Amino acid sequence: DAEITQSPRHKITETGRQVTLACHQTWNHNNMFWYRQDLGHGLRLIHYSYGVQDTNKGEVSDGYSVSRSNTEDLPLTLESAASSQTSVYFCASSEYPNTGELFFGEGSRLTVL
Amino acid sequence: RKEVEQDPGPFNVPEGATVAFNCTYSNSASQSFFWYRQDCRKEPKLLMSVYSSGNEDGRFTAQLNRASQYISLLIRDSKLSDSATYLCVVTYTGGFKTIFGAGTRLFVKA
Repeated sequence: DAEITQSPRHKITETGRQVTLACHQTWNHNNMFWYRQDLGHGLRLIHYSYGVQDTNKGEVSDGYSVSRSNTEDLPLTLESAASSQTSVYFCASSEYPNTGELFFGEGSRLTVL
Repeated sequence: RKEVEQDPGPFNVPEGATVAFNCTYSNSASQSFFWYRQDCRKEPKLLMSVYSSGNEDGRFTAQLNRASQYISLLIRDSKLSDSATYLCVVTYTGGFKTIFGAGTRLFVKA
């Protein structure tokens, strides 16, 4: 069965360190997304990609970057982790670019001390 | 004002009860509407799309009111397994714009 996997599932790091969260999907979807979820805010879009070599900023992109070198993977990098980036991060993919029908990974819980 | 607003709840209902959630959206250019379900510490999963004519999936009924800019989710004959957070999702035309509400928590008790 097709799926979307994230790693690590849990990560504790220190302020200022670089952190990369991996996302791998076997749906063969062109469209991939990274969200963060915090209490009271719902899911907020960080970055998204419509295909290989395409990346776009979402509403909360500051301090984050992504790269898309193949269809399956969209790693999310925190260049210099800050305590405000403590959150649960969800990767998602979709068959169509402008749709609410998203398939989510299980999430990565990041704590920045 | 948030673009998509939901009553955070929690809604505490007994098994067998009927419960309804509303969600309001602020942008009239909205295109598509969805309800997602999210269990505690799990990923969101699509529950159902919401169509202008209203749609039903078993015990779940979704309605859209474009004039008043709200969508609703009705759950009949609530089960313990319905306990979760329900997320309202709205998409807009013109580029990728999918907005998630903060969610409504439901607890169904025996």
